[in-house]
Amino acid sequence: DSGVTQTPKHLITATGQRVTLRCSPRSGDLSVYWYQQSLDQGLQFLIQYYNGEERAKGNILERFSAQQFPDLHSELNLSSLELGDSALYFCASSTGTVYNEQFFGPGTRLTVL
Amino acid sequence: AQKVTQAQTEISVVEKEDVTLDCVYETRDTTYYLFWYKQPPSGELVFLIRRNSFDEQNEISGRYSWNFQKSTSSFNFTITASQVVDSAVYFCALSEADSGGYQKVTFGIGTKLQVIP
Repeated sequence: DSGVTQTPKHLITATGQRVTLRCSPRSGDLSVYWYQQSLDQGLQFLIQYYNGEERAKGNILERFSAQQFPDLHSELNLSSLELGDSALYFCASSTGTVYNEQFFGPGTRLTVL
Repeated sequence: AQKVTQAQTEISVVEKEDVTLDCVYETRDTTYYLFWYKQPPSGELVFLIRRNSFDEQNEISGRYSWNFQKSTSSFNFTITASQVVDSAVYFCALSEADSGGYQKVTFGIGTKLQVIP
């Protein structure tokens, strides 16, 4: 158990809908990262937050947004969902200092029908 | 350009064989870290090792060993006497500091290892 929790574990929804994925980092970790993993791609970095502030953006679509709250949990919002958004979404946390390993949550499997 | 290259997309070995997973990285930083993660069929990502750019000593942990060579920008992972439980996707990752001094991590596409009983 990495100490990172993600909810829900599975999510099935329809095209055009909006969903929210939630992540609670390990106790003491200030950084939260979101990744998307689909069948035909590796781990695609989406976005990083550090202590409530956005720090880095990767291949995140404009239909997606995220935030990190004062209690350090984070939410990833996906809107106007398309079939291609079906993927495993991982959250990871780290202390935020450079070079520390990231601890991954179990992931949320999103299926868009 | 890919910063972390895992050229082997899939490898199959018979149980008890040794197998090496290759990782080649690219960075201009003198200080950086390299990681290996394992993703078993159950899906979770498990941290295996962290190595900093100033430590080129090989590391061994049980049946796992890592060979870090700065001269070739490689950080290869060897499993000795492979077991079925080693079947997983293995990711190599590079961590650098961005211009603001924060962590920037790049993952390779992963190598799927299948160990056949």
